[in-house]
Amino acid sequence: QKEVEQDPGPLSVPEGAIVSLNCTYSNSAFQYFMWYRQYSRKGPELLMYTYSSGNKEDGRFTAQVDKSSKYISLFIRDSQPSDSATYLCAMIKAAGNKLTFGGGTRVLVKP
Amino acid sequence: DADVTQTPRNRITKTGKRIMLECSQTKGHDRMYWYRQDPGLGLRLIYYSFDVKDINKGEISDGYSVSRQAQAKFSLSLESAIPNQTALYFCATSVSSGRVDEQFFGPGTRLTVL
Repeated sequence: QKEVEQDPGPLSVPEGAIVSLNCTYSNSAFQYFMWYRQYSRKGPELLMYTYSSGNKEDGRFTAQVDKSSKYISLFIRDSQPSDSATYLCAMIKAAGNKLTFGGGTRVLVKP
Repeated sequence: DADVTQTPRNRITKTGKRIMLECSQTKGHDRMYWYRQDPGLGLRLIYYSFDVKDINKGEISDGYSVSRQAQAKFSLSLESAIPNQTALYFCATSVSSGRVDEQFFGPGTRLTVL
């Protein structure tokens, strides 16, 4: 079993819809949780990161962490075609340690 | 100009050949990483280096080696390429801090081993 599970999609939504992405993980030692966005033929880029449980909002993006359920989510409001990309969750057990990635979810926002 | 560059961007090689992928960065970061990405498996860490004299194995280092020639350069070698090393390879950099490092990724090298 992988340490971090993520539905590969693709997830297709109409423009303006809310995109809901999630990851589950098995190791309760993870403390820092990140979301990366990867456009086709590009490297991943960090969108957001959160520490421990709770919510964090940045513009149209909201990240949620529920450590009791070992479940993290990313919501994209008012989705745009430019949000079409693969979204990867990643997590770390402690600052300075290595990232563990989920497999990524491909998102397609249709105009 | 890109902060993290990788060469070549695409490479096709044959089984048994030795090849090198190169990574350079102008961000002044001390930490560098090599990952491979396969469909559905996300990114998996091959090797990482926290400074010029520091080299560490990641989760899938077998069949690979690295060299940190300078703070700005980190190369990945496949000693004898095999078809299941066909993948997308990414170099990343970060700077050590008291918080979580943000890793900055290069554009990737698509490697095909026939």
